[in-house]
Amino acid sequence: EPEVTQTPSHQVTQMGQEVILRCVPISNHLYFYWYRQILGQKVEFLVSFYNNEISEKSEIFDDQFSVERPDGSNFTLKIRSTKLEDSAMYFCASSEYFRGEPQHFGDGTRLSIL
Amino acid sequence: AQTVTQSQPEMSVQEAETVTLSCTYDTSESDYYLFWYKQPPSRQMILVIRQEAYKQQNATENRFSVNFQKAAKSFSLKISDSQLGDAAMYFCAYRTTSGTYKYIFGTGTRLKVLA
Repeated sequence: EPEVTQTPSHQVTQMGQEVILRCVPISNHLYFYWYRQILGQKVEFLVSFYNNEISEKSEIFDDQFSVERPDGSNFTLKIRSTKLEDSAMYFCASSEYFRGEPQHFGDGTRLSIL
Repeated sequence: AQTVTQSQPEMSVQEAETVTLSCTYDTSESDYYLFWYKQPPSRQMILVIRQEAYKQQNATENRFSVNFQKAAKSFSLKISDSQLGDAAMYFCAYRTTSGTYKYIFGTGTRLKVLA
């Protein structure tokens, strides 16, 4: 069964550095998402992406964050200048166009900011 | 705005027994989808079951079933014949049928299965 893949599985970065989290969604999917889960807390929506543009973003997704689909297969989340509070698990998800289809999640990237 | 509430931070169940995890939500929409996802220690989010709001019939997937009460805005998950592999964090999620179809998650219930 096709899967959403995320790399790296764990990223350790110094505060203030830029990080790029990578995702390869399922190939025929059209909607892409990033979610964040701070340790011990619920999964929170960050951003959705459709037709090569952001379709919705949460208040968490401030100017430090950006997303890109550079080559038709990868879907990246960039944090420009990381803060301690960015430490979390980041999940990528994708879904087909049909509204009833569930989102398929990757295994997540654990981001640790030192 | 929609909200999802899971009032049970942790539940325990004996192996082979049945357990019910609670979820309530708040919405003004009439058409939406509800999901239960399982997150084992391996951390991948795995779809357990889904329910379309316009369907009266409760969804069932093998040992997993839901009790969907639309008027009460309740969506509980019943796990029958619990197995050790069911131990995980379970998240209830709401998804609108318009806009970007994002998920709104509850805070999760950690399920322990006792041998």
